Amino acid sequence: GENVEQHPSTLSVQEGDSAVIKCTYSDSASNYFPWYKQELGKGPQLIIDIRSNVGEKKDQRIAVTLNKTAKHFSLHITETQPEDSAVYFCAPPPTAGGTSYGKLTFGQGTILTVHP
Amino acid sequence: NAGVTQTPKFQVLKTGQSMTLQCAQDMNHEYMSWYRQDPGMGLRLIHYSVGAGITDQGEVPNGYNVSRSTTEDFPLRLLSAAPSQTSVYFCASRGTGGGYTFGSGTRLTVV
Repeated sequence: GENVEQHPSTLSVQEGDSAVIKCTYSDSASNYFPWYKQELGKGPQLIIDIRSNVGEKKDQRIAVTLNKTAKHFSLHITETQPEDSAVYFCAPPPTAGGTSYGKLTFGQGTILTVHP
Repeated sequence: NAGVTQTPKFQVLKTGQSMTLQCAQDMNHEYMSWYRQDPGMGLRLIHYSVGAGITDQGEVPNGYNVSRSTTEDFPLRLLSAAPSQTSVYFCASRGTGGGYTFGSGTRLTVV
């Protein structure tokens, strides 16, 4: 969506370490918070998402946490593996009316590199 | 359930040629979008649609046209190809309240 900032832009970790990527948004009406993973040569893939009525969601080694008061949500990857190396995008969809519901823009993403 | 299907996967065009990139989804999704991704860059929105018969411009619409005559199909037309349009093109769709499903991409080279 609009006015979304993602940090860091690059992240390098050793295999087995944890990685955290943070996404800050400005739209107070946002109620759906997805994370996408794009591997080299492939299209982005939705890996985990959370809705505004939940503070945390886990799926094996990945989790997403939401802080609606501070308007940010984070992707947590534990026990990182080389296959986690990819570009990660946060992209909460717009909530404005009319055709703006479909105008989803992505930031530059976070390049995660997991070293064996 | 095929998801989002893009064709062709690869294409080489000469400057000035026109072509249509095809995108079809079988999930009855309302929203469909076209993005381009240049090397080392993020995804830039070209055009999008919120339903059959309704389209709008994204961040980089110049040189591209779209139409949405059915819920399933959302073709992207390059009117007169230019080298600056060399890129990877992704089509994506989503239903109300969900995340996007992306196609596998079309790698376009304009010479």
